Amino acid sequence: AQKITQTQPGMFVQEKEAVTLDCTYDTSDPSYGLFWYKQPSSGEMIFLIYQGSYDQQNATEGRYSLNFQKARKSANLVISASQLGDSAMYFCAMREASGGGADGLTFGKGTHLIIQP
Amino acid sequence: EAEVAQSPRYKITEKSQAVAFWCDPISGHATLYWYRQILGQGPELLVQFQDESVVDDSQLPKDRFSAERLKGVDSTLKIQPAELGDSAMYLCASSARLSGDTQYFGPGTRLTVL
Repeated sequence: AQKITQTQPGMFVQEKEAVTLDCTYDTSDPSYGLFWYKQPSSGEMIFLIYQGSYDQQNATEGRYSLNFQKARKSANLVISASQLGDSAMYFCAMREASGGGADGLTFGKGTHLIIQP
Repeated sequence: EAEVAQSPRYKITEKSQAVAFWCDPISGHATLYWYRQILGQGPELLVQFQDESVVDDSQLPKDRFSAERLKGVDSTLKIQPAELGDSAMYLCASSARLSGDTQYFGPGTRLTVL
């Protein structure tokens, strides 16, 4: 079973509208972290936002917020007031607490977001 | 602002040749990761270092891939011999401490094997 599922391969959104990118995850570990990264066509992965499994409040970073629903195992990214520069691939990723300190991220397949003027 | 450096940015090689990629993490970051991203997919972890020690290389194809971080700072990932299926983006990331800090990525090396 996939650990990170992103069900939207592509999305078209009008500029200035809010957009929600979906992410569901699967883990039996009680301690984990969820991340969102943006990857423009240049290829670099840009960190956007982080949510820890024990965090009581949803994470926010500027125009980005994470809608964390622990019981449903979902961690959707919300971008408010979208801009043309938001056009990129967006990846949801999870870090699980593993023995020996291994904490590499598991990524979803990504959502290609295109903002239209 | 501190960044992860990678070189080269692009590499074209023929199958059966050897290739090497270099990564310099953010200064002071003890943990370094190499990921491979095949076109249209998310990155997959190849190897993780804590200082100069390998923490996780369970997904590294050890028959042809090797990675080292001799002095616990910069790192080299090598493929020998390269195969057509190795064409991908190779991303390096670093974090400040083991288990718990955000990973920051470099610009990547895009490898094409002909």
